[in-house]
Amino acid sequence: NAGVTQTPKFRVLKTGQSMTLLCAQDMNHEYMYWYRQDPGMGLRLIHYSVGEGTTAKGEVPDGYNVSRLKKQNFLLGLESAAPSQTSVYFCASSSRVGGVSYNEQFFGPGTRLTVL
Amino acid sequence: QKEVEQDPGPLSVPEGAIVSLNCTYSNSAFQYFMWYRQYSRKGPELLMYTYSSGNKEDGRFTAQVDKSSKYISLFIRDSQPSDSATYLCAMSSWDGQNFVFGPGTRLSVLP
Repeated sequence: NAGVTQTPKFRVLKTGQSMTLLCAQDMNHEYMYWYRQDPGMGLRLIHYSVGEGTTAKGEVPDGYNVSRLKKQNFLLGLESAAPSQTSVYFCASSSRVGGVSYNEQFFGPGTRLTVL
Repeated sequence: QKEVEQDPGPLSVPEGAIVSLNCTYSNSAFQYFMWYRQYSRKGPELLMYTYSSGNKEDGRFTAQVDKSSKYISLFIRDSQPSDSATYLCAMSSWDGQNFVFGPGTRLSVLP
């Protein structure tokens, strides 16, 4: 099993450009998450999904959109990139037990994004 | 006040030292308490998982939860250079919602 994979691993954008980050998991997990990690700020939740076709906002959703068209994939889009979105982006997934998220989240290796 | 606060570090210790990493939190609804370890340029991975108060031991690692003080700790005995990483505490309510990470403490164990 590959676990959670993310593409691309690195990306440099100019202000105003758009891009999509792809997350894929092969563990049949219901829940998927997108986080950003900045120095001194820890992991902050951008958006999450509790199942195929559903998405919800996290702590810092502004400037990002997401889609979960297939259970195994969770896409994060930046429509008009800004320097404040320079960060490391992590995708994670978790299983569901009794209708709620089981607490162990499995993380991908991250995408390092720089916006100039 | 942030919902979860963690000793900022960074922390450098000699090999073999006992390490104490700590977090405080404000939300009394948190029931599950976790420690994740993150190596440089990697994603976090779950290290320890505790429900409610008490201690849990796994090899050289001990997780301690004091809900009355809203304080959790991770102890590492006989620390090794391979323990050098960032340690993030995390916690959630009983239903897995309101999942929050601490900002992390970077630990360096020097040979």
